[in-house]
Amino acid sequence: KNQVEQSPQSLIILEGKNCTLQCNYTVSPFSNLRWYKQDTGRGPVSLTIMTFSENTKSNGRYTATLDADTKQSSLHITASQLSDSASYICVVSAKDSNYQLIWGAGTKLIIKP
Amino acid sequence: NAGVTQTPKFQVLKTGQSMTLQCAQDMNHNSMYWYRQDPGMGLRLIYYSASEGTTDKGEVPNGYNVSRLNKREFSLRLESAAPSQTSVYFCASSALGLFSYNEQFFGPGTRLTVL
Repeated sequence: KNQVEQSPQSLIILEGKNCTLQCNYTVSPFSNLRWYKQDTGRGPVSLTIMTFSENTKSNGRYTATLDADTKQSSLHITASQLSDSASYICVVSAKDSNYQLIWGAGTKLIIKP
Repeated sequence: NAGVTQTPKFQVLKTGQSMTLQCAQDMNHNSMYWYRQDPGMGLRLIYYSASEGTTDKGEVPNGYNVSRLNKREFSLRLESAAPSQTSVYFCASSALGLFSYNEQFFGPGTRLTVL
């Protein structure tokens, strides 16, 4: 069964610190992997989209990595800011007849001053 | 540009009542989607419309109907609401469909409670 699992479920760090969020997936055949940021009470906003040939992709202080062999991805946040407090969701697209997106449950990140 | 807009923002229904959630986008996107988000779970696709005039079932279509009114608007209807449909509903749009490597843009969501 196609699944996306994220860890940790929640994370609290101090402002200015770095952190890394993990995503493991069992989706096959793989098409692409996306990271979204969802602020409380808002809709998700896309951060990055990566295909199997892309190992790393950055968007400002956000850097996503992908290892298609081990089916793992990570999202690294550098020099965290209070505005980074949000849920971060990993989404994997399967290259099947529907190309559906399989959404992880997200990691809730809290940045404390 | 407003992006993707949804109405209403909040709604409380009694079991058996019906309602329609409205969604509109001003980005001239071809594809539109309806998702539901429940606590501790990933978003689940209810229905999508790859282009004007077409609709397809997603992962959890039972109890819902949709209408792609025109290129801008995509509505979701609950004919007879059930407590299991209590959720946050998101509408999204993208330039191309699920087959494509393109991002989806989301609305602010509708928080629905069915008593």
